[in-house]
Amino acid sequence: EAQVTQNPRYLITVTGKKLTVTCSQNMNHEYMSWYRQDPGLGLRQIYYSMNVEVTDKGDVPEGYKVSRKEKRNFPLILESPSPNQTSLYFCASRLVGGTQFFGPGTRLTVL
Amino acid sequence: EDKVVQSPLSLVVHEGDTVTLNCSYEVTNFRSLLWYKQEKKAPTFLFMLTSSGIEKKSGRLSSILDKKELFSILNITATQTGDSAVYLCAVETGANSKLTFGKGITLSVRP
Repeated sequence: EAQVTQNPRYLITVTGKKLTVTCSQNMNHEYMSWYRQDPGLGLRQIYYSMNVEVTDKGDVPEGYKVSRKEKRNFPLILESPSPNQTSLYFCASRLVGGTQFFGPGTRLTVL
Repeated sequence: EDKVVQSPLSLVVHEGDTVTLNCSYEVTNFRSLLWYKQEKKAPTFLFMLTSSGIEKKSGRLSSILDKKELFSILNITATQTGDSAVYLCAVETGANSKLTFGKGITLSVRP
């Protein structure tokens, strides 16, 4: 089944404790993105990648890192999480110019 | 800066009503406009529009794009309670194929 997977789905952590949210897709898509969704602010892009070893900042990259060592994986790294990074995170993938598929979401709470 | 504005922000209708959701945009290097439906989970794809004046249709849902006036509408006829969701509009732009999302329209369909 064609899909985007994310792990974990739910995470509660404390300020400053490094964490990684994994994202994987099995559709051979070049383009992958991370978004955060907050009430009243909608979906905002954090980082995106147009192919392996090519990543770029989205609209709200501060406090996040990504890597794209393989085509199918695009992990999101929070080196030192803070409470303002409490949010719902979505990974997504697509062919350039094609429709975008979203992962199931990761609900992160930073205490 | 690319902007995507959706209206209204929310609306409540009764089953059987017809609704029209609006999406206007001001962007550079337009490529396509996409509509998504989001229930209590990840957004799911509805339509991709690239050409003006050509209606896309799927069951009771339809959408059309006006590239001269820079807007799109999503129509839902004979609404059902299962249509209750947040409807997201996104515009794809530029060589990097970036997606910019509007804040979404919350539709509630009452029995």
